[in-house]
Order: sequence, then structure tokens, then C-alpha cells
Amino acid sequence: SQKIEQNSEALNIQEGKTATLTCNYTNYSPAYLQWYRQDPGRGPVFLLLIRENEKEKRKERLKVTFDTTLKQSLFHITASQPADSATYLCALVARGSQGNLIFGKGTKLSVKP
Amino acid sequence: DVKVTQSSRYLVKRTGEKVFLECVQDMDHENMFWYRQDPGLGLRLIYFSYDVKMKEKGDIPEGYSVSREKKERFSLILESASTNQTSMYLCASGILETQYFGPGTRLLVL
Repeated sequence: SQKIEQNSEALNIQEGKTATLTCNYTNYSPAYLQWYRQDPGRGPVFLLLIRENEKEKRKERLKVTFDTTLKQSLFHITASQPADSATYLCALVARGSQGNLIFGKGTKLSVKP
Repeated sequence: DVKVTQSSRYLVKRTGEKVFLECVQDMDHENMFWYRQDPGLGLRLIYFSYDVKMKEKGDIPEGYSVSREKKERFSLILESASTNQTSMYLCASGILETQYFGPGTRLLVL
């Protein structure tokens, strides 16, 4: 069956460390993959998009990698801050689909001072 | 900045009531979406629309309908609300690959 999984429901790290979140997928051929941030009681906010032919994308302290062999995307936040605490969602669009996003269930990141 | 607004942040309705959730976007986006989000289940697509008067079923359309009479407005209708429709409802609009979400409506059906 088709699945998109974010392996950790929650991740706790110390301020200043690098947070690494994982997104794995099964039985999809993603055209691209996106990462969103969601704060409690708010809608998700788009962060980064990476296409199937790209290995890595960066934006300020954020980095996303995409490995189509491992069927995995990693999302990194370097020099993490308490303000980075939120739930992070990965989402993919399958190649040949109508273009709708399929979301993982999210990983709740807590950055402790 | 893209702005997606939803008519209510919180709503309490009774079983059997007809419920309207409104969503308005100000960026002239072609695409609009309705999701629901539940703990442990994540975001699930209810309906979407790629043009005025056009609608397509998402993954969980049962018990819902939608209306898109104007490009900027996409309404979600619960014809007869049931307790299992208690959820957070999120509207999004988008262009090409990116979606912009509204703040959400937390609906409680008693």
C-alpha cells in the first residue's frame, strides 16, 4: 500500500544543535516533496520544495535532502532555536497525479533552551 | 503576502444542522482545497477545485459538498452535521506547486 511516514511523532533537542527530521515514502513516485511548518491552532506554512531530480535544497538555516533510492527526505534545522519549536509536515505530489499533496502526519519538534 | 481567510476560528453546531464553512483568498489563485486534520490521521483532502464552478472529490468527500461560484471563494458544506465531523478544517489556495493555508476552523458537533 502507499504510505508517507514521518518516523518520529516527537523530537526533543537542545538549543544550538541541528534538528534532523525524516520522511519516508512507500509505493509512490514523487514528482516533488515539500516541507511545511505548523504551529498549534494555525494552518501549515510552506517552507521548502525539492524536486525528484534535486539532491539538496537550502534556505537560511534549513536544508532538505531527497534520496529517491532510499525513498527518503531529510529536513535539517541548523543552530536550532526555541522559536523553531513546531510540528513539521512533509508532503509529496506523485508523478502523473492531479497534483494534490499527500501529507505525512508530522513530527513535533521541541527545542529546549 | 498571500492571505487566506476562513469565516470562523471556532464553531459549535448540533447534529443534523447544515454547516457552511467559508474560505476567501486574495491572490487570484486558480486552485483551492479543503482539508480536515485529526490527531493521528494528519491532513486529509476533502474536496478541491482548479477553477470557478469546478470541483473534484478528494480522499474523504462523504458527508460534504462544496461550492465555488467566484474564483476567490470556496465554501465547504456539511449537509447534516454528525459528531464524527468534529475536526479542524483547513482551507488552502495555491498556484503551481505551493499551497497557502488559512488559519483553520475548529468545528465541534454536539
